[in-house]
Amino acid sequence: SQTIHQWPATLVQPVGSPLSLECTVEGTSNPNLYWYRQAAGRGLQLLFYSVGIGQISSEVPQNLSASRPQDRQFILSSKKLLLSDSGFYLCAWGGRGGQPQHFGDGTRLSIL
Amino acid sequence: AQRVTQPEKLLSVFKGAPVELKCNYSYSGSPELFWYVQYSRQRLQLLLRHISRESIKGFTADLNKGETSFHLKKPFAQEEDSAMYYCALSNAGNNRKLIWGLGTSLAVNP
Repeated sequence: SQTIHQWPATLVQPVGSPLSLECTVEGTSNPNLYWYRQAAGRGLQLLFYSVGIGQISSEVPQNLSASRPQDRQFILSSKKLLLSDSGFYLCAWGGRGGQPQHFGDGTRLSIL
Repeated sequence: AQRVTQPEKLLSVFKGAPVELKCNYSYSGSPELFWYVQYSRQRLQLLLRHISRESIKGFTADLNKGETSFHLKKPFAQEEDSAMYYCALSNAGNNRKLIWGLGTSLAVNP
């Protein structure tokens, strides 16, 4: 069966520090992978999606970047975090050409 | 502007009562609509989508283009239906980009 792993669950980082959040999927091949952010009082916002290794689409200009070094690995990064990067980050995967179907547990990121 | 509105943050019903979670949308193209659910201590997951015309866990949702709505309904609510429900929409043919509502928390009381 398919599973998705996302870590860490919570993270507290100082402003200006780097970030790396990792997401891996098991039990499926060639998934579409997604990074979402949910800020307080706002809906889920799509940050990045990927349809294959090395293929990243960015939805909103921001301080973050994403990479997909392997088929089932999706990484969210930043070189220098801003206070506005605080939020809840969710990784998700879906079938080819389809909507996201399964989500990870999320990472609560707090920037101090 | 493209938008999904879930007017109720919280909906509380008694077990066995009918439940309707409202979702209205604003979209200029040809939309596809989805409902996602997150049960307590579980992950967010897809519940149903309008093109499938399916009933999942007793829930149904009909796309009403005239009223631009996609309300989620169940005739008899169960306690295990208590969860956070999110409505989302995408352009037909590009389901990767979803626009999400803020969610409605459903509480089914015994």
